[in-house]
Amino acid sequence: VIWMTQSPSLLSASTGDRVTISCRMSQGISSYLAWYQQKPGKAPELLIYAASTLQSGVPSRFSGSGSGTDFTLTISCLQSEDFATYYCQQYYSFPWTFGQGTKVEIK
Amino acid sequence: EVQLLESGGGLVQPGGSLRLSCAASGFTFSSYAMSWVRQAPGKGLEWVSAISGSGGSTYYADSVKGRFTISRDNSKNTLYLQMNSLRAEDTAVYYCAKSPRDPAAPGAFDIWGQGTMVTVSS
Repeated sequence: VIWMTQSPSLLSASTGDRVTISCRMSQGISSYLAWYQQKPGKAPELLIYAASTLQSGVPSRFSGSGSGTDFTLTISCLQSEDFATYYCQQYYSFPWTFGQGTKVEIK
Repeated sequence: EVQLLESGGGLVQPGGSLRLSCAASGFTFSSYAMSWVRQAPGKGLEWVSAISGSGGSTYYADSVKGRFTISRDNSKNTLYLQMNSLRAEDTAVYYCAKSPRDPAAPGAFDIWGQGTMVTVSS
């Protein structure tokens, strides 16, 4: 099993801020990593796959980087609609696993 | 429009069984791998099971192996999850999710259903 450590678990920020979320793997996964956004009561939405490829329709203020064991999601200029919970997910090997989540809240 | 619609959730006693369904529309269902992902109340996401487009390959999380069975009927564009020997810790919203055909994203989930709640309690 590949263990994932996502940090921070809670991030307080203001509109316009640049924020970064980290995801660290217990072993290398090449670039087989995705990022999701989830709002309360809603299903998650895919933001990024293959560590850095932006899903169609996702705003360019979202970006992903990293390979191997260390990955980062960056939101360059936080908008009001970005306050949500974010998850990383590895699909390098079964069982596929998710990070614990990062809640981005209004400061 | 690409859409996934889950059904079959509800209240079941510990040790009981339930079958979830996920009706797909707007895409060639048989061409895509599908998964079930669950989320316990107030908790994070947990991948449960996946199945290939043909149905010939299936995969399970250790927490459900031997109790849950994933299957699909490509003639009906429907995904299933048969859940047996249910436990209180299986209580969650269950989402079905579609994987892209992109070789760089075989295990990502680009389309999700709205979810169906399963409550295991006496």
